[in-house]
This record gives sequence, structure tokens and C-alpha cells, in this order.
Amino acid sequence: DTGVSQDPRHKITKRGQNVTFRCDPISEHNRLYWYRQTLGQGPEFLTYFQNEAQLEKSRLLSDRFSAERPKGSFSTLEIQRTEQGDSAMYLCASSGQTYEQYFGPGTRLTVT
Amino acid sequence: AQTVTQSQPEMSVQEAETVTLSCTYDTSENNYYLFWYKQPPSRQMILVIRQEAYKQQNATENRFSVNFQKAAKSFSLKISDSQLGDTAMYFCAFVDHNNNDMRFGAGTRLTVKP
Repeated sequence: DTGVSQDPRHKITKRGQNVTFRCDPISEHNRLYWYRQTLGQGPEFLTYFQNEAQLEKSRLLSDRFSAERPKGSFSTLEIQRTEQGDSAMYLCASSGQTYEQYFGPGTRLTVT
Repeated sequence: AQTVTQSQPEMSVQEAETVTLSCTYDTSENNYYLFWYKQPPSRQMILVIRQEAYKQQNATENRFSVNFQKAAKSFSLKISDSQLGDTAMYFCAFVDHNNNDMRFGAGTRLTVKP
């Protein structure tokens, strides 16, 4: 098992552009989570999937954010019309039958 | 609302010494899980230790142990025989039995000095 992977690791974009991030969870894990982490802070929950169903979304997830998990495997997080305030590390995590979540390396987004 | 508080933004310890990181949380739930995660500089979050609220026995993982005080809603992490590789941000985290979202504290930056 290679753990949770995320792609890309870094993304620099101009304000107003759309970006999409991908997360591949640990293969047998049915739960997948997205978090946002700003410098010097702990991760903040954005959304989570159980299999392909998106079961909860944070108020942080504005209309410009959308997440999918087709077929209950990998997931994508898209941010439309990016703003400078979207600059952050976007973390993906997955969990299986137990409650601990395993994190990927994150995608660092910089909006210029 | 469930909240997690880490009151020590930064701490340092000499190599081979022992250090304790503090964490308190607030919840009305009775069934939940607590975690300590380590995030080394520019590296990914790693699970250090977990504690189930229904277990009275404190969890231990090698040099890492916790002091779980359910009534006081306190969950501290003790690192024994500190090593240079322990230098990292440490996050305390809480999740209830629904496992819908994990709440994190603001973190404690630990520096182990040679």
C-alpha cells in the first residue's frame, strides 16, 4: 500500500482561474476527506465522502468549490474563479473501518 | 460545537529529555476519539497516537504516551527520550463516533535541541 497520494503537489495560478486537485486514497478505504490548512494553523474540514456519496460539506466550502468522487475511488476538488484567499495547503485524508484518518502530502495552492 | 484547544504555540526540549504537550477539547458527545498528529517541516501529517474515549487506559506507542482525563476533557501527549527527528508541529485532533469531520487544534511547534 502506497498511502494517500495527491496531485499536483504545488499549483500556482492567477486570480480568476480554475484549478482542480486529485486525491487517491488508500485502496481499501471507503471514506475520503478534504481539508484546508493555512500557514501556522491546523487543518479545517471542507467535505467528506463515504464511497461515492458526499455526505457533509463545511460552510467554508463556498459555491466556487466542488468535489467529486466518481465510483468511490479517487476524488477531485475544483476551485472556480480562484481568489487570493484560496491560497492554502489542501489536504486529503482517507479512513477505513477504524476512526483514524491517513493524510496525503497535500497540494499547496498559490493564487497570484 | 466541538472545539480543540492547544494553549502552547511553541515548545522546546533538549534531546533525550521528556516533554508534555497540552490539549483540551469541548464536546457534549460521550463516544469519540482523540488523536495526536505530527507534521514535520514541509512533510505530511503522520498519526502518532490514538485514544478511544470509552477506554480508561491511556494509550502508549513506544516513546509516546497520553494522559487522557475524560472528565476534565484533557488529552496531553508525553514524548520521552526526545529525538531530533521529533521536531515538528503537533496537532491534537478530535472526531466523534460519526467520523464525519476531524477537528484540529492550532498546533504546537516542538523543537528538539541537540
